[in-house]
Amino acid sequence: GAGVSQSPSNKVTEKGKDVELRCDPISGHTALYWYRQSLGQGLEFLIYFQGNSAPDKSGLPSDRFSAERTGGSVSTLTIQRTQQEDSAVYLCASSSDRTNYGYTFGSGTRLTVV
Amino acid sequence: DQQVKQNSPSLSVQEGRISILNCDYTNSMFDFLWYKKYPAEGPTFLISISSIKDKNEDGRFTVFLNKSAKHLSLHIVPSQPGDSAVYFCAASGNQGGKLIFGQGTELSVKP
Repeated sequence: GAGVSQSPSNKVTEKGKDVELRCDPISGHTALYWYRQSLGQGLEFLIYFQGNSAPDKSGLPSDRFSAERTGGSVSTLTIQRTQQEDSAVYLCASSSDRTNYGYTFGSGTRLTVV
Repeated sequence: DQQVKQNSPSLSVQEGRISILNCDYTNSMFDFLWYKKYPAEGPTFLISISSIKDKNEDGRFTVFLNKSAKHLSLHIVPSQPGDSAVYFCAASGNQGGKLIFGQGTELSVKP
């Protein structure tokens, strides 16, 4: 597609439920990133995929968070047993290579845990 | 621990005047970028500067880098109401392709 697509755009879930957030990067982009923005906070790095290399998971806040990237394209971020502090806008970005200037963000998924 | 900080959460400027957004960083970084974010949209790349330079200009936008002070700033002149958005400073460190972002500064340009 022309841009990075994220779904759903909004998600309300009950505390304790699992959620899956999807990211479709720009076709051909080898690097894919997940960030999140909590209310009043900056962009917090979560995880980074680059080609076939092992992902950089150093930003995942707990073991309830995991992410996969299938076939070097679509990525899914899964949050298990959601907590209220997980409420945030989850942003996905892709780039053609490690050059940061190529970062293109999606519009994000607003997750609300009630 | 590499950090990027934007200490001003908001800034209000009159149309036509200069907007100056500031950013501080710790430790050595390689490239610095500014992103602009409108509500309900993802951030979009605005302008960048390499650590080997001290100034980069693109139209109304200029970024200045002061490596000795570990400080960079974004100047917008003249400011326009359409510039009203949240501006994020970001930097690449020694941690591969990922960017470290600041907390953002919300700019409001009054007509």
